[in-house]
Amino acid sequence: SQQGEEDPQALSIQEGENATMNCSYKTSINNLQWYRQNSGRGLVHLILIRSNEREKHSGRLRVTLDTSKKSSSLLITASRAADTASYFCATDAWGQNFVFGPGTRLSVLP
Amino acid sequence: EAQVTQNPRYLITVTGKKLTVTCSQNMNHEYMSWYRQDPGLGLRQIYYSMNVEVTDKGDVPEGYKVSRKEKRNFPLILESPSPNQTSLYFCASSLSFAGNNEQFFGPGTRLTVL
Repeated sequence: SQQGEEDPQALSIQEGENATMNCSYKTSINNLQWYRQNSGRGLVHLILIRSNEREKHSGRLRVTLDTSKKSSSLLITASRAADTASYFCATDAWGQNFVFGPGTRLSVLP
Repeated sequence: EAQVTQNPRYLITVTGKKLTVTCSQNMNHEYMSWYRQDPGLGLRQIYYSMNVEVTDKGDVPEGYKVSRKEKRNFPLILESPSPNQTSLYFCASSLSFAGNNEQFFGPGTRLTVL
């Protein structure tokens, strides 16, 4: 079973626009993380938000967390072609297991 | 340079021929994990290890084995590979439990089982 699910599955935007991706999960969590993956490569950690936090920023990234709705969003502002990648949310679901969603494919067009 | 290494990066094998994919990290991390990535399914955790000699099943452990005899190494063993294990495999490590810490990923191993 998948704990996190991203929405949309794919997103195309123009350079300079903002990109918003959403993640929903099913069970209570301690933390939620976002990762980026360039085509076929290893994932790179972007940001971790704890369950008692509502918003977190890192450079052009803004992550929000709504535990009442069991959802999170990742906003990338002023997108660049280099932001083209797949983005995954991941949660600690139960025990010491760690679960990724299926990801959102972002294409930033020049 | 802090990194997670995997070998081999690419492997084509035949059904039933035992293979091992090695994973090593040089960051003194306690937590290590194996994932497989398949189109449309995202990453699924195969096995993880909280520390030396401590391993546990993830979401999709069937057909795989792991061991953690040393802190830095976490090999993935396929005793009798089958075509449904054709996938992209990633090893990852973190300071402690992955839920609380950034995971560092290896470059991936693309496995094809004929």
